[in-house]
Amino acid sequence: GIQVEQSPPDLILQEGANSTLRCNFSDSVNNLQWFHQNPWGQLINLFYIPSGTKQNGRLSATTVATERYSLLYISSSQTTDSGVYFCAAPWTGNNRKLIWGLGTSLAVNP
Amino acid sequence: ETGVTQSPTHLIKTRGQQVTLRCSSQSGHNTVSWYQQALGQGPQFIFQYYREEENGRGNFPPRFSGLQFPNYSSELNVNALELDDSALYLCASSLGTQQNTQYFGPGTRLTVL
Repeated sequence: GIQVEQSPPDLILQEGANSTLRCNFSDSVNNLQWFHQNPWGQLINLFYIPSGTKQNGRLSATTVATERYSLLYISSSQTTDSGVYFCAAPWTGNNRKLIWGLGTSLAVNP
Repeated sequence: ETGVTQSPTHLIKTRGQQVTLRCSSQSGHNTVSWYQQALGQGPQFIFQYYREEENGRGNFPPRFSGLQFPNYSSELNVNALELDDSALYLCASSLGTQQNTQYFGPGTRLTVL
């Protein structure tokens, strides 16, 4: 099945800084998603981005499907951006089953 | 707020016991997916229910079972609890079976002693 790897595993930023999170996947995908899990465990779907670029406020994501990676950009970071960012892709042969990376743990300091 | 609720919030059980976790899906959603998230890991897909039928399953043993009710709420049952079952259990509701429209509940933290 597909493997999903994220980097870096941990990131510490000063408020206002920008950052880029990376997600590599081992096989071609027709569905790539980014999620944010806040420190209390709530998961929020950020982007559904099988290819191309999308933006939502200070966040944007780009997926280059042919090269099997996706990037999540966070600009002008805020303390509320803290938490874990996950990317997930469907397991080959079963689009209902998402395979998740281990996440990037982000801490934004005031 | 995603409109998806889970109960209980926290639960402590001992090895060998059985547990039932509950999930109320967002209004209008007919699909519920369950995930197990161990500490420091990403969520692992357990199974999905669509219109009261199991519609896909991950690599979990049969002692993990579920139900979906006519109002599309769902239960996750785990029998013969093991220490490794300690985790955050998340449910996600969606309209249809594709994963891109999932909304997650706050989770149930299960501790097995």
